[in-house]
Amino acid sequence: GAGVSQSPRYKVAKRGQDVALRCDPISGHVSLFWYQQALGQGPEFLTYFQNEAQLDKSGLPSDRFFAERPEGSVSTLKIQRTQQEDSAVYLCASSLGNEQYFGPGTRLTVT
Amino acid sequence: GESVGLHLPTLSVQEGDNSIINCAYSNSASDYFIWYKQESGKGPQFIIDIRSNMDKRQGQRVTVLLNKTVKHLSLQIAATQPGDSAVYFCAEIPSNSGYALNFGKGTSLLVTP
Repeated sequence: GAGVSQSPRYKVAKRGQDVALRCDPISGHVSLFWYQQALGQGPEFLTYFQNEAQLDKSGLPSDRFFAERPEGSVSTLKIQRTQQEDSAVYLCASSLGNEQYFGPGTRLTVT
Repeated sequence: GESVGLHLPTLSVQEGDNSIINCAYSNSASDYFIWYKQESGKGPQFIIDIRSNMDKRQGQRVTVLLNKTVKHLSLQIAATQPGDSAVYFCAEIPSNSGYALNFGKGTSLLVTP
């Protein structure tokens, strides 16, 4: 496909479980972003990659959140020991220039 | 703190009317603004952008106006259609960031027949 894809689309985790969310950016896009969107709110920045380098992780809410992009393409956002407050939609976006193209998101529900 | 926010959380318009969605920002260092449309179950979709050295930009059926004096941004949609029903977000990229989008809360636009 031509767009950003994310998997899984939905994830239910029990409190304390670890989860891994995958993002496949548009081919050739250098920049990749993760955002967290709580219900009824706008997305909030989590982290930014340029190729494989994580240049900004200032938005990650705690050290339970970890993101990687080892080969400069696919990225994974990992959340360890999930908590109820982690329930949100996690959006991935990629870009070549200023315009960021978003994936459909992964809706994470922590029970 | 500095933030991007919206005046109205919901807006209902009749099909064929023009829609105006407003946004206030407080970060005077922002130099790039974008409007996104988000439909249920989808990610935000780029609509139109504007740089701080402009005050108006037009696209297909959409116009963005930027008033730097009062730090106000608006999105005008002409001849609103049912397919325009969605949540609309304004977002900014502060000049000291250069890449991270700072989103407001969003306005839900409902187009009625």
